[in-house]
Amino acid sequence: DQQVKQNSPSLSVQEGRISILNCDYTNSMFDYFLWYKKYPAEGPTFLISISSIKDKNEDGRFTVFLNKSAKHLSLHIVPSQPGDSAVYFCAASAKAAGNKLTFGGGTRVLVKP
Amino acid sequence: ETGVTQTPRHLVMGMTNKKSLKCEQHLGHNAMYWYKQSAKKPLELMFVYNFKEQTENNSVPSRFSPECPNSSHLFLHLHTLQPEDSALYLCASSQGTYMRETQYFGPGTRLLVL
Repeated sequence: DQQVKQNSPSLSVQEGRISILNCDYTNSMFDYFLWYKKYPAEGPTFLISISSIKDKNEDGRFTVFLNKSAKHLSLHIVPSQPGDSAVYFCAASAKAAGNKLTFGGGTRVLVKP
Repeated sequence: ETGVTQTPRHLVMGMTNKKSLKCEQHLGHNAMYWYKQSAKKPLELMFVYNFKEQTENNSVPSRFSPECPNSSHLFLHLHTLQPEDSALYLCASSQGTYMRETQYFGPGTRLLVL
């Protein structure tokens, strides 16, 4: 059973608008969360992270929100750009479980010009 | 070369073959990882090496045999694989052995087992 789920396999958004990617988790021991971005034929690259002691972390156009009570996190990209078209993975780890990363299945984002 | 490189990028092998995947990191990192991504499944951690020592084996079948001769190189030796082992195999590295440090991924080897 998947502990980290990205229920939307794909998302299409107009350039300049907001992209919202969602991720749900089931393991309450998870205390650190990350987003990775992957272009075709390349490996995933780290985008942004958040610790469970925070509910928001912002880095430029990217903001991650964490709702621990709902076991839900989201990634907001504002404004979306064509270069943001990629697959986005959320990942979670638990210090109590050796900090192994558990990944979601990914959401493919297409930003239309 | 910079970052994390993997060779070959594509590999087709029969179930009786023996092959090896190679990963090299040029970042001076001390930890290296193997991940597997099967079709329509999330990325799964296979092995972790810290300072050349294996610290994690995520219940991986013995037909996958990792080797880490030094902190810069990581191999995955494959033998008697099954068609369901067809997947994208990704290597990653991180500066420290604390797994929350940012992991840098290679482009992956796409493996097809016939």
